[in-house]
Amino acid sequence: RKEVEQDPGPFNVPEGATVAFNCTYSNSASQSFFWYRQDCRKEPKLLMSVYSSGNEDGRFTAQLNRASQYISLLIRDSKLSDSATYLCVVKGRGSTLGRLYFGRGTQLTVWP
Amino acid sequence: DTEVTQTPKHLVMGMTNKKSLKCEQHMGHRAMYWYKQKAKKPPELMFVYSYEKLSINESVPSRFSPECPNSSLLNLHLHALQPEDSALYLCASSSDRGESDTQYFGPGTRLTVL
Repeated sequence: RKEVEQDPGPFNVPEGATVAFNCTYSNSASQSFFWYRQDCRKEPKLLMSVYSSGNEDGRFTAQLNRASQYISLLIRDSKLSDSATYLCVVKGRGSTLGRLYFGRGTQLTVWP
Repeated sequence: DTEVTQTPKHLVMGMTNKKSLKCEQHMGHRAMYWYKQKAKKPPELMFVYSYEKLSINESVPSRFSPECPNSSLLNLHLHALQPEDSALYLCASSSDRGESDTQYFGPGTRLTVL
């Protein structure tokens, strides 16, 4: 079983749409969670960290459900510039401190 | 400044060549990482240095040799690579001060092995 499982996508949505990505992780001891964004042929860039209380950054909202080991990312009012691959990332704990576990990524295309 | 720099941006090498990839950060981070990323796949961890010491080697073939000359620099020496080693090589760094610290990635070196 993979450490992080992510919606396969791809998602193709019109501008202005709301889109949600989901992800599950297998290690209940995991402590830190992130969403990274990766544009084609570029490096991953941190979009936001994910906290149990949920957090919002403009049009982006991230949620964490520790009981279900489930992470989500909601994008409201999609823009063309949101087109990218979104990586769900979980950080290990203890002996795996420092190691990031990546989901396969969900590709989003926003069309005009 | 959350910048990690990598050189070169692109590299084409033959299977008998020796080359090196370089990575630099000036954020005072004490952990640095090498990842390999193939097309349409997530990054795969290769090596982790913590406080200039190698702490994780993900069973990477010896034709890849990492080096951490100081806390700001990380090199990856390449020798006798195979065509299947062609990929995007990403360097990252983090403060390594807690479980919530974030890794910041450099722009990567796109390597082609002929």
